[in-house]
Amino acid sequence: AQSVAQPEDQVNVAEGNPLTVKCTYSVSGNPYLFWYVQYPNRGLQFLLKYITGDNLVKGSYGFEAEFNKSQTSFHLKKPSALVSDSALYFCAVTLQGSARQLTFGSGTQLTVLP
Amino acid sequence: EAQVTQNPRYLITVTGKKLTVTCSQNMNHEYMSWYRQDPGLGLRQIYYSMNVEVTDKGDVPEGYKVSRKEKRNFPLILESPSPNQTSLYFCASKGNSLHSNQPQHFGDGTRLSIL
Repeated sequence: AQSVAQPEDQVNVAEGNPLTVKCTYSVSGNPYLFWYVQYPNRGLQFLLKYITGDNLVKGSYGFEAEFNKSQTSFHLKKPSALVSDSALYFCAVTLQGSARQLTFGSGTQLTVLP
Repeated sequence: EAQVTQNPRYLITVTGKKLTVTCSQNMNHEYMSWYRQDPGLGLRQIYYSMNVEVTDKGDVPEGYKVSRKEKRNFPLILESPSPNQTSLYFCASKGNSLHSNQPQHFGDGTRLSIL
């Protein structure tokens, strides 16, 4: 079985400071990893994904994520947070070659304080 | 504009009254899926469809039905809704069912309240 853990329900950061949203995963095999963002009253929007290759993945809106196989982590980062980054963030994992299932974490509410 | 459209966006109803939430995508996607989102639980998959007339259970299928008669539509049916099905529901799609590295496109959600 595959699973995703987002250990922080809530992350607060001051505008202009770097932000990190944590994600660890468990899967039997090679993972594909995703980050999605959800704004109020909207569906999830794709931010970035790790498939293979470079462990540092760059995505939309200046976000990036670092894949660490030994720590089974895929933390989301941004060097300088904006108030508009405030949203709910979900990490998700699927198995390479799996046609079926994307497993989501429980979500982390990011609040960027002005 | 490429999109996944869900209707209704909001619904309050009573226990036992059959309801259908529609989902339509205009991207000619093979794969479609339904999720429910509950606080502290993230998104959990209800049903998914790899193509027309091909559907399968996700993690939480009890109390739900789906059909995929056309490629663009994937309705979610609650034959006899109960209060524990009060939730926020999302429909999603992606182009190729066999490519697990493709991101999914999500609708804006349907908030169901069952009294």
